Amino acid sequence: QVQLVQSGAEVKKPGASVKVSCKVSGYTLTELSMHWVRQAPGKGLEWMGGFDPEDGETIYAQKFQGRVTMTEDTSTDTAYMELSSLRSEDTAVYYCATDSKATLDAFDIWGQGTMVTVSS
Amino acid sequence: VIWMTQSPSLLSASTGDRVTISCRMSQGISSYLAWYQQKPGKAPELLIYAASTLQSGVPSRFSGSGSGTDFTLTISCLQSEDFATYYCQQYYSFPWTFGQGTKVEIK
Repeated sequence: QVQLVQSGAEVKKPGASVKVSCKVSGYTLTELSMHWVRQAPGKGLEWMGGFDPEDGETIYAQKFQGRVTMTEDTSTDTAYMELSSLRSEDTAVYYCATDSKATLDAFDIWGQGTMVTVSS
Repeated sequence: VIWMTQSPSLLSASTGDRVTISCRMSQGISSYLAWYQQKPGKAPELLIYAASTLQSGVPSRFSGSGSGTDFTLTISCLQSEDFATYYCQQYYSFPWTFGQGTKVEIK
């Protein structure tokens, strides 16, 4: 049974960076394609980017290109999402999500979410 | 980019009602569509994948249909625990995208 456990809430000032972690258990990270989704308060879900196993590359949504970096530490089975040049509009809950290989890429496994607040 | 139009954005219904939520794509995505349920303060949960396959453990009152550009989520007999927000998502091509969401509220 795959589980994703994310790091705790963060408060950052505008212009700073934040790095959110997502620890995998039950599988190894190399067996999964990790994605990141965010949700601003009262708003919908927004896909930020994720790993494309066909190309072996991480794909980022155009909106976040140049500001987001998604990395993996396979020695600890931990995925990371770093967002830089933060602004108030980046205040959101950030989720890592993946599929357990039984749902044809649909996200059946989600982390609990990490609240990131950007405020001066 | 594949644009998605999910409707309605708000649906008022009563327990026992049959409800339908629509998701329309700007271009064909075969059956690469998922439906999620989200309750306040919780992560989304997968209900349907591949447009019509019920995720393990999800009640059979949920069903999905469609292919190409038009998709539907149906709840055949609304239960109290079904009042939540529902999202469609396409994973046919990058960037993957979500619909705007449909909040199902008590009438």
